[in-house]
Amino acid sequence: DVKVTQSSRYLVKRTGEKVFLECVQDMDHENMFWYRQDPGLGLRLIYFSYDVKMKEKGDIPEGYSVSREKKERFSLILESASTNQTSMYLCASSLQDMGSYEQYFGPGTRLTVT
Amino acid sequence: RKEVEQDPGPFNVPEGATVAFNCTYSNSASQSFFWYRQDCRKEPKLLMSVYSSGNEDGRFTAQLNRASQYISLLIRDSKLSDSATYLCVSEMDSSYKLIFGSGTRLLVRP
Repeated sequence: DVKVTQSSRYLVKRTGEKVFLECVQDMDHENMFWYRQDPGLGLRLIYFSYDVKMKEKGDIPEGYSVSREKKERFSLILESASTNQTSMYLCASSLQDMGSYEQYFGPGTRLTVT
Repeated sequence: RKEVEQDPGPFNVPEGATVAFNCTYSNSASQSFFWYRQDCRKEPKLLMSVYSSGNEDGRFTAQLNRASQYISLLIRDSKLSDSATYLCVSEMDSSYKLIFGSGTRLLVRP
């Protein structure tokens, strides 16, 4: 059974703080993704990674960076948190199999920036 | 225009009803489509895939209409446990990336 875990379910940070969100998957998936989900806007892709040390920008990368030092771990970094980054953050992983695009999601981190 | 558009609902139906959701997509090159289910305060989970010939899984049927660029999800004999948000999803240019609609909320009442 695929398992994607995220370091925190709820997080409260102050404006200007550096924030680290960690994601770990245990199924040896090559692809990993970070999304944010806001009411009425759906899931929006922030960054994704096809391989270790490899990253590509998604639709809304501004204000975020990522790190993938190991295959199973993909970190999202908010360099200087702002109130408009208050959101639900979801990590996902998938295989590099053109016959299957299914992404498996972690439980999410609800981040509040005050 | 959003790449994947859905009616946000909510669709409020009695138990046992049949309910259908539609979703439109803008990229005619997309080949694969999916319906994900998301319960309140939970992560999205794959409900079913939709390929060119459509797909049926128990009470759930998904159809694809390429000419009109829409997909549909039909739920028969609705259960209380079907209450959730249903996300319409397309793949993007065979890139492993997925594009998610904003979701359609379904409420099934006793």
